[in-house]
Amino acid sequence: TQLLEQSPQFLSIQEGENLTVYCNSSSVFSSLQWYRQEPGEGPVLLVTVVTGGEVKKLKRLTFQFGDARKDSSLHITAAQPGDTGLYLCAGVRPGNQFYFGTGTSLTVIP
Amino acid sequence: DTEVTQTPKHLVMGMTNKKSLKCEQHMGHRAMYWYKQKAKKPPELMFVYSYEKLSINESVPSRFSPECPNSSLLNLHLHALQPEDSALYLCASRRVLGRLGNTEAFFGQGTRLTVV
Repeated sequence: TQLLEQSPQFLSIQEGENLTVYCNSSSVFSSLQWYRQEPGEGPVLLVTVVTGGEVKKLKRLTFQFGDARKDSSLHITAAQPGDTGLYLCAGVRPGNQFYFGTGTSLTVIP
Repeated sequence: DTEVTQTPKHLVMGMTNKKSLKCEQHMGHRAMYWYKQKAKKPPELMFVYSYEKLSINESVPSRFSPECPNSSLLNLHLHALQPEDSALYLCASRRVLGRLGNTEAFFGQGTRLTVV
């Protein structure tokens, strides 16, 4: 059973379109992180959200942490081919367990 | 410096070989992790070391043997692997932020392992 479920699992869109990726859980996390991973490389940290209701922006990317700290979303505006990759949310559980969500594979078509 | 260095980057080994994967970080992080990742799947947690002691083993087969010689180094010893063990093996280290224990993990580039 996955603690963190992401949707959609796969997403293929045209350059310039907007998209939202969701990360949901029935558990509360003290923080959630979002990573992007390209094939054959390790995940690269994009953002950490800590406070319920928090919104963070990173250029065309907007991250939100749910009020109850159980879910998060990533919104990309005007997607570009360089945004292509595997997007992963991740959270920490007691005992230093650091778990990833199920992942969203994004392809942006030029 | 937020770098986690993994060596080798690629490894091909036979089912009777013994090899080791290495991971190094100099950020003073005291939690270190090994993950296994198959193509287009999320990384799966294998082991967690906290303060150089093994704190979590996610029911990993004994043909994978982790070792943490000091706070900067993490090894994964491999012996008698199977072809289905072929995957990207990722090392990560984690920094604790603030009194709530909020955390960020930094990852190495991984070792692409092929078992033949």
